[in-house]
Amino acid sequence: QPVLTQSSSASASLGSSVKLTCTLSSGHSSYIIAWHQQQPGKAPRYLMKLEGSGSYNKGSGVPDRFSGSSSGADRYLTISNLQSEDEADYYCETWDSNTRVFGGGTKLTVL
Amino acid sequence: EVQLVESGGGLVQPGGSLRLSCAASGFTFSSYWMHWVRQAPGKGLVWVSRINSDGSSTSYADSVKGRFTISRDNAKNTLYLQMNSLRAEDTAVYYCARVLGVVDYWGQGTLVTVSS
Repeated sequence: QPVLTQSSSASASLGSSVKLTCTLSSGHSSYIIAWHQQQPGKAPRYLMKLEGSGSYNKGSGVPDRFSGSSSGADRYLTISNLQSEDEADYYCETWDSNTRVFGGGTKLTVL
Repeated sequence: EVQLVESGGGLVQPGGSLRLSCAASGFTFSSYWMHWVRQAPGKGLVWVSRINSDGSSTSYADSVKGRFTISRDNAKNTLYLQMNSLRAEDTAVYYCARVLGVVDYWGQGTLVTVSS
């Protein structure tokens, strides 16, 4: 089954941009993933589905500041014009046959 | 508006049982596969179980296989998770999730604490 690898933490300044990475394990580089945001004390929220081609579809109400892209086995989430409410944990997710897999999550700090 | 509302969590002793429910609204529940995902305190998201749209097929993580049972009642728009032989390591917030390829909606979660 696929494994998703994420950096444990990232930080960026208010108003700047940040690019988070989710890397698919060998043999799974074509997989579709999803990005989810989890603000402190809240349930996760679906942000977008992201294909290996770089095409993405965002969930309802997700701001334009959020975008996705892909390169090989890497899937990216870019957040532009960072706001304080973007400080959260970000998880990537994929699936294979009967299992669903999540990355370990990246804790984003907005400075 | 899609809504998933979990209930049934609480404090239970090791070896005990709980049944979680997830009430769905705002979409055609019987058309979607549904999943349970849990999150231990301070930890990441972990998949627990899934059920197909008509309830005829289920799957479980190895850590809960043989102890947990997922089911659904499409007439009541409700998803269930029967949890038996609970262990301390099952302590977590349990989320139900709607899946359309990927998880596209999450419930608010219900906390299960296994402790004596």
